[in-house]
Amino acid sequence: EAQVTQNPRYLITVTGKKLTVTCSQNMNHEYMSWYRQDPGLGLRQIYYSMNVEVTDKGDVPEGYKVSRKEKRNFPLILESPSPNQTSLYFCASSWTGGYGYTFGSGTRLTVV
Amino acid sequence: SQELEQSPQSLIVQEGKNLTINCTSSKTLYGLYWYKQKYGEGLIFLMMLQKGGEEKSHEKITAKLDEKKQQSSLHITASQPSHAGIYLCGADYTGNQFYFGTGTSLTVIP
Repeated sequence: EAQVTQNPRYLITVTGKKLTVTCSQNMNHEYMSWYRQDPGLGLRQIYYSMNVEVTDKGDVPEGYKVSRKEKRNFPLILESPSPNQTSLYFCASSWTGGYGYTFGSGTRLTVV
Repeated sequence: SQELEQSPQSLIVQEGKNLTINCTSSKTLYGLYWYKQKYGEGLIFLMMLQKGGEEKSHEKITAKLDEKKQQSSLHITASQPSHAGIYLCGADYTGNQFYFGTGTSLTVIP
């Protein structure tokens, strides 16, 4: 089944403790992206990647890192999480930016 | 800055009623996409519109893109409880970055 798999689904962590949210797709998509979704602000793009080893900042990249060493994986790294990074995170992939985007099920992150 | 404005923010309708959600862009779109999200879950791709004046339908949902490619509407005919969720429009301006509207929360009362 074609899908984007995010892990974990839920995560509660403490301020400053490094964490990684994994994202993997099995569709051979070139384009992958991370979004965060907050009430009243909608979905905002954190980082995106056009292909392996090519990543670019989205609208809200501060406090996040990404890497794209393989086509299928696009992990999101929070080196020192803060409470303002509490949010619902989505990973998505597609052939080009937006067209036929497939989304993961989301990761609900709480930073206390 | 918000590239895409959606209206209304929320909508409560009686089952069987028709409804329309609007999405307005501050600049000309390369492509306009509609997604549906069930609360707390991932987004499901509904439709994509690229040409000015284009109209697409899927079951009871119809989406249109105006001639200037700056405004789109999503129309649901004879709404059902299964239509409830958050509807988001998304826009591709450059082929690289992709923007979403703030979403419209739809509640359908049986």
